[in-house]
Amino acid sequence: KAGVTQTPRYLIKTRGQQVTLSCSPISGHRSVSWYQQTPGQGLQFLFEYFSETQRNKGNFPGRFSGRQFSNSRSEMNVSTLELGDSALYLCASSLGTSGKTDTQYFGPGTRLTVL
Amino acid sequence: GNSVTQMEGPVTLSEEAFLTINCTYTATGYPSLFWYVQYPGEGLQLLLKATKADDKGSNKGFEATYRKETTSFHLEKGSVQVSDSAVYFCALSSGSARQLTFGSGTQLTVLP
Repeated sequence: KAGVTQTPRYLIKTRGQQVTLSCSPISGHRSVSWYQQTPGQGLQFLFEYFSETQRNKGNFPGRFSGRQFSNSRSEMNVSTLELGDSALYLCASSLGTSGKTDTQYFGPGTRLTVL
Repeated sequence: GNSVTQMEGPVTLSEEAFLTINCTYTATGYPSLFWYVQYPGEGLQLLLKATKADDKGSNKGFEATYRKETTSFHLEKGSVQVSDSAVYFCALSSGSARQLTFGSGTQLTVLP
């Protein structure tokens, strides 16, 4: 079974621009979560989507948004980029069940650099 | 709120040495506990997990036991290899929220 894929792998943008990152989950997984990884803040949860609905949201400004499509693929968008948005953005997919055995599997990440 | 505390790194060991990376947590309810590993330039890979007290997760020679009384989930391996060099993250999920709360990560370097 193919793993979680993320595109693009690398992005360079300038301040003020916007960016869209894409994530394709493992086949059969309906939940997609996004995380930001930086050297200073570590791994932080952005949001989770399940059946095209945002089910949970972390403590990030409204410039960070996402969506999920009917095939469970997800995109996240960052508008008005700031230097501090430079990070590795990780997508994780899971079945999305309520049980304790639900496990998130991560993609390789998109490395965003803001100049 | 939920939190995970990992031992400070970096950790440097010789090949075939014994590894312990400490992890303790604070959580509401009874969380599921995970260890993920990140190799340079890659995303996170699930290493092992445990979902209830006294469960032992194991994979590739790594083990961790869910200790509710000490709120710990320490990672151990009896004999590390150079290929184990990576950053290791302890994480938990708790309650109805599926979000993972991560520790700060421990950089492990194994020398030949």
